[in-house]
Amino acid sequence: DAKTTQPPSMDCAEGRAANLPCNHSTISGNEYVYWYRQIHSQGPQYIIHGLKNNETNEMASLIITEDRKSSTLILPHATLRDTAVYYCIVRPRSNEKLTFGTGTRLTIIP
Amino acid sequence: KAGVTQTPRYLIKTRGQQVTLSCSPISGHRSVSWYQQTPGQGLQFLFEYFSETQRNKGNFPGRFSGRQFSNSRSEMNVSTLELGDSALYLCASSLGGSVLDEQYFGPGTRLTVT
Repeated sequence: DAKTTQPPSMDCAEGRAANLPCNHSTISGNEYVYWYRQIHSQGPQYIIHGLKNNETNEMASLIITEDRKSSTLILPHATLRDTAVYYCIVRPRSNEKLTFGTGTRLTIIP
Repeated sequence: KAGVTQTPRYLIKTRGQQVTLSCSPISGHRSVSWYQQTPGQGLQFLFEYFSETQRNKGNFPGRFSGRQFSNSRSEMNVSTLELGDSALYLCASSLGGSVLDEQYFGPGTRLTVT
């Protein structure tokens, strides 16, 4: 019961912005949106999280719609090392548990 | 500072045996969570420990158990191994003071049950 829907795969040209969508139409008011990614043969890596405001850090930007039913992770200048499976996770404030869905397999094309 | 370490990295066991996996969190982190990753089921939460107490539990049978020591290191045990237990077992640590803390994952232990 991942509570999120993501496209199974996406391609993006190297140097371009990669925009990864996520639907979370049943999100409740106390739930945050988290993004992790998993590069092949490694453990998942935290990217960013947000509640309702847009967030930016050194890795990515997170855009959350006003109704909070969807969000987009933006990698501004994708590199080959960004090829990974990206997981969008809705996480309740009261719970440490991360519930991973199937994610989006992002392939950066040279 | 050093990241999350897991030992062993690879393990082969036979059905019916039991196995213990170890996780050392990042220094200062008090929460350790365990996940199982398989091609069919994806990443699934097993349990979380904070200050030596199990704080959260996923939907796994009682054959899967864990514990946390006073230095925050954690072990996970699986008894009476089944073929379906073959998976990558990941542990993640966080400060644990706030549920919003980022989780840092280790490289995982790949368990193969034959």
